[in-house]
Amino acid sequence: EAGVAQSPRYKIIEKRQSVAFWCNPISGHATLYWYQQILGQGPKLLIQFQNNGVVDDSQLPKDRFSAERLKGVDSTLKIQPAKLEDSAVYLCASSFQRNTEAFFGQGTRLTVV
Amino acid sequence: SQQGEEDPQALSIQEGENATMNCSYKTSINNLQWYRQNSGRGLVHLILIRSNEREKHSGRLRVTLDTSKKSSSLLITASRAADTASYFCATDLSGAGSYQLTFGKGTKLSVIP
Repeated sequence: EAGVAQSPRYKIIEKRQSVAFWCNPISGHATLYWYQQILGQGPKLLIQFQNNGVVDDSQLPKDRFSAERLKGVDSTLKIQPAKLEDSAVYLCASSFQRNTEAFFGQGTRLTVV
Repeated sequence: SQQGEEDPQALSIQEGENATMNCSYKTSINNLQWYRQNSGRGLVHLILIRSNEREKHSGRLRVTLDTSKKSSSLLITASRAADTASYFCATDLSGAGSYQLTFGKGTKLSVIP
């Protein structure tokens, strides 16, 4: 079974630039999560989708972050414009449904300079 | 906001010893999950324990859940150097409108050969 795929693995951008991350969840998984993990901290939930609908985005900085999940499969997370404090690993995860184990991708390490 | 809080923040033991990590949380949950994260790698699911369960085993791992105290513990028996990693508890919240899978800050475990 293929795992959660994320790209790119690494990205370096200057502040005020924009960046997008892509996630392909495990086939058949209805729930998709995006997390931000700053070095030395636990993952912070940014947004959670159920199929192609958002069920929680309470911690998403909506003035600069946006996410979508087209057709309930792939998802993209965008930051525009980026700030220095956005430097982190962005993790995508999926689960079969809401109350089941989540499978994580390898993450995208973003450095904003 | 981070729901779960692990204790201790860091733990160093000799190979062969047992390691115990604790997690406390604040609100009602559907389930509680434990994940492991090796340096430079993604998060790997270890165990999911539902709110109506009190104990669960998987190989050398034992998880307990006390919903009256809003706490859980993860016991790793006969530790190995390969167990060196950060361990996170994640709570799957229940309640009206709450669908978050929220992580704590983690316990960093070092197993010395």
